[in-house]
Amino acid sequence: QKEVEQNSGPLSVPEGAIASLNCTYSDRGSQSFFWYRQYSGKSPELIMFIYSNGDKEDGRFTAQLNKASQYVSLLIRDSQPSDSATYLCAVNEGGTGANNLFFGTGTRLTVIP
Amino acid sequence: EAGVAQSPRYKIIEKRQSVAFWCNPISGHATLYWYQQILGQGPKLLIQFQNNGVVDDSQLPKDRFSAERLKGVDSTLKIQPAKLEDSAVYLCASSLGILGPFFGQGTRLTVV
Repeated sequence: QKEVEQNSGPLSVPEGAIASLNCTYSDRGSQSFFWYRQYSGKSPELIMFIYSNGDKEDGRFTAQLNKASQYVSLLIRDSQPSDSATYLCAVNEGGTGANNLFFGTGTRLTVIP
Repeated sequence: EAGVAQSPRYKIIEKRQSVAFWCNPISGHATLYWYQQILGQGPKLLIQFQNNGVVDDSQLPKDRFSAERLKGVDSTLKIQPAKLEDSAVYLCASSLGILGPFFGQGTRLTVV
């Protein structure tokens, strides 16, 4: 049974701080990793994807991947109240791309003004 | 660029009734997905199409759920008969190449 584990939170950080969201996965064959943001009552919105070990930066967001440890994280710098949402980690079953994504249950982030 | 379109937005039915959802993917996206998201959980893949062929339907409860994607564009997902545990948000998504999937706004189904 493939598993994607996330701390459900809530994770609270003050405005301007760095929010760190973590995700572990069970399938060593996984090669594509995605982070989605989901506001309450809305659908998931793709914010980052990463395929290679190391860091990938996009604006205030940095995704970090360590395949040896089966660990992927998302850092949000200069957190804003508008970042308050549930962040979903998704991992594919194998190969590249979005085939057969397994989602974690999400981490709820609250940014306190 | 228009996003993934879904309808209806909300649906309330009684158990044992049938229901259908419609999805129009982003133009040019060959891959279309139907996900089920139960409250408090992450989305779960039900079925994935590549053009009009099924790539993966291993998690689709085939005794009651069916889906089709005629002509490789629009898709419909049907539930017949519905059970109480089918209450969820049904999300359609599409992707092109390695990027995505991108989700529609979803259909919230309540079975009473």
